[in-house]
Amino acid sequence: SQTIHQWPATLVQPVGSPLSLECTVEGTSNPNLYWYRQAAGRGLQLLFYSVGIGQISSEVPQNLSASRPQDRQFILSSKKLLLSDSGFYLCAWSTINRRAREKLFFGSGTQLSVL
Amino acid sequence: EDQVTQSPEALRLQEGESSSLNCSYTVSGLRGLFWYRQDPGKGPEFLFTLYSAGEEKEKERLKATLTKKESFLHITAPKPEDSATYLCALSGSARQLTFGSGTQLTVLP
Repeated sequence: SQTIHQWPATLVQPVGSPLSLECTVEGTSNPNLYWYRQAAGRGLQLLFYSVGIGQISSEVPQNLSASRPQDRQFILSSKKLLLSDSGFYLCAWSTINRRAREKLFFGSGTQLSVL
Repeated sequence: EDQVTQSPEALRLQEGESSSLNCSYTVSGLRGLFWYRQDPGKGPEFLFTLYSAGEEKEKERLKATLTKKESFLHITAPKPEDSATYLCALSGSARQLTFGSGTQLTVLP
């Protein structure tokens, strides 16, 4: 069966520091991978998605970046964090279903607090 | 532009008190409507996919239905462990899913 690992679970970082969040998927090959951010009491905002190694699409302009160095590894990074980067970050994966565009499976999330 | 609106924002029920959560949507070409459950501090957990108006799906005390304008998540005789935030998401003309802001359900013992 497929599993998705995301770490760390919580992270407190000072403003201006770098960020690296990692996500790996097991039990499937060539998944679509996603990074979402969820603000308190609000819906999920798609940040990045990837359909293959080295292929990254950005949905929202910001100081974050994403990379996919391996088929089942997705990394979210920042060179200098801002206060507004605080939030709950979720990694997700999917395979294409012919009847619907995406059926997503989420990781357990990382709560990032930028102070 | 695909849009999803969930109501109510929060709902408090007594154990055993059945109710429904609403997900209203506008879309040009529905590919699928998804329901997720999210516990505090956790990632959303997939519940159901509905593809066309009139379709229904059930799982334990939950039943999801779909019309051309909205979807309902019916909760029959809820228990405290059903307390969570329920999210609906739309697959339509946008490349990726459009999520609603969720309904926070609290079931009191």
